Amino acid sequence: GESVGLHLPTLSVQEGDNSIINCAYSNSASDYFIWYKQESGKGPQFIIDIRSNMDKRQGQRVTVLLNKTVKHLSLQIAATQPGDSAVYFCAEIQTGANNLFFGTGTRLTVIP
Amino acid sequence: DAGVIQSPRHEVTEMGQEVTLRCKPISGHNSLFWYRQTMMRGLELLIYFNNNVPIDDSGMPEDRFSAKMPNASFSTLKIQPSEPRDSAVYFCASSLWAGKLFFGSGTQLSVL
Repeated sequence: GESVGLHLPTLSVQEGDNSIINCAYSNSASDYFIWYKQESGKGPQFIIDIRSNMDKRQGQRVTVLLNKTVKHLSLQIAATQPGDSAVYFCAEIQTGANNLFFGTGTRLTVIP
Repeated sequence: DAGVIQSPRHEVTEMGQEVTLRCKPISGHNSLFWYRQTMMRGLELLIYFNNNVPIDDSGMPEDRFSAKMPNASFSTLKIQPSEPRDSAVYFCASSLWAGKLFFGSGTQLSVL
């Protein structure tokens, strides 16, 4: 069939379960990575960030993992809640550059 | 802090009309970004200002688009004349540097 837009990966989880959202980044020179959450009708909201000298960083109910070898980033959400339903974007940038590159996003749906 | 403030939240206009979107960045932030979000292309960077000076406008799609930042607390994105394909959500974001962006709530533009 004909593509009518970006194919947005989707993830559905039961309330209370853990969620893992994955992202592959493209630029091996990128050294700073961010996860954003975008709820319907709102702008992207900063969740957590990580620098390339780290492979794991924890926040409140969220953990970001970075695997530079395979250029992979993941966001783990513990005890997922209905309020976590949103589109999640990973973003990458190389220090000194002007442009933060956003991934296409993953839609997370939490089933009550 | 009130965050990044954008106006209007919604704009409906007819093809050929001039559209002006407004943005007030977070006080103290020295970088300001205009993004466009569509289903087809996701989040696209249009233009980036640093200390009120346009640094990178390579994302501005056509000469119909122009952006200004007359002072540190105000920026405009103007489309003249507007076309139906300009329909999108336009986000303004500000930051202390290009990585950690804080987004406004966006302007939903519909050009009929």
